[in-house]
Amino acid sequence: GIQVEQSPPDLILQEGANSTLRCNFSDSVNNLQWFHQNPWGQLINLFYIPSGTKQNGRLSATTVATERYSLLYISSSQTTDSGVYFCAVEVWNFNKFYFGSGTKLNVKP
Amino acid sequence: EAGVVQSPRYKIIEKKQPVAFWCNPISGHNTLYWYRQNLGQGPELLIRYENEEAVDDSQLPKDRFSAERLKGVDSTLKIQPAELGDSAVYLCASSLGTSGTNTGELFFGEGSRLTVL
Repeated sequence: GIQVEQSPPDLILQEGANSTLRCNFSDSVNNLQWFHQNPWGQLINLFYIPSGTKQNGRLSATTVATERYSLLYISSSQTTDSGVYFCAVEVWNFNKFYFGSGTKLNVKP
Repeated sequence: EAGVVQSPRYKIIEKKQPVAFWCNPISGHNTLYWYRQNLGQGPELLIRYENEEAVDDSQLPKDRFSAERLKGVDSTLKIQPAELGDSAVYLCASSLGTSGTNTGELFFGEGSRLTVL
């Protein structure tokens, strides 16, 4: 099956810092989402971004499908940004999502 | 609009006991998924339904796991008998549908955390 690799696996930031999370995938995809899993385990949708760039407040994401990667940018990080960030991709004609192992973010006050 | 609803949120059972999880997807979403998430890992698909049909159950351990989605709306996932290794979070998700190429945006419930003692 498709390989989805996220980096870095762990990230510690001081509040106010910026960061970039990366998701590489090994096959062509027709769907990509970024999720934030909060400390209570809920997976929150951040971006539905098969291609291109989107922004939502302090967060933005870019997917370059032809080069098989996506980036999630977090600017001016806050303690509430802490948690695990997952990238999930859907391969053409497979109709199911494959998840990476996540990036665990800890934002310190 | 209500999101994906799951119950129970937490369940603690002894091994060899049965357990069941319930999920109600977002209204109008034809595709429903059950995922299992082990500690420190990403979710892994157990079964996917399109309406009432299980179209992908290749990762479902069929000797002890079963699922149903009667009437193509809510769904139940059952484990019988439970084993220690089944301790995990069971996540239900739904999406609007499948066109054959793109499932659409995936939405998750809060999950059901199972502990098997």
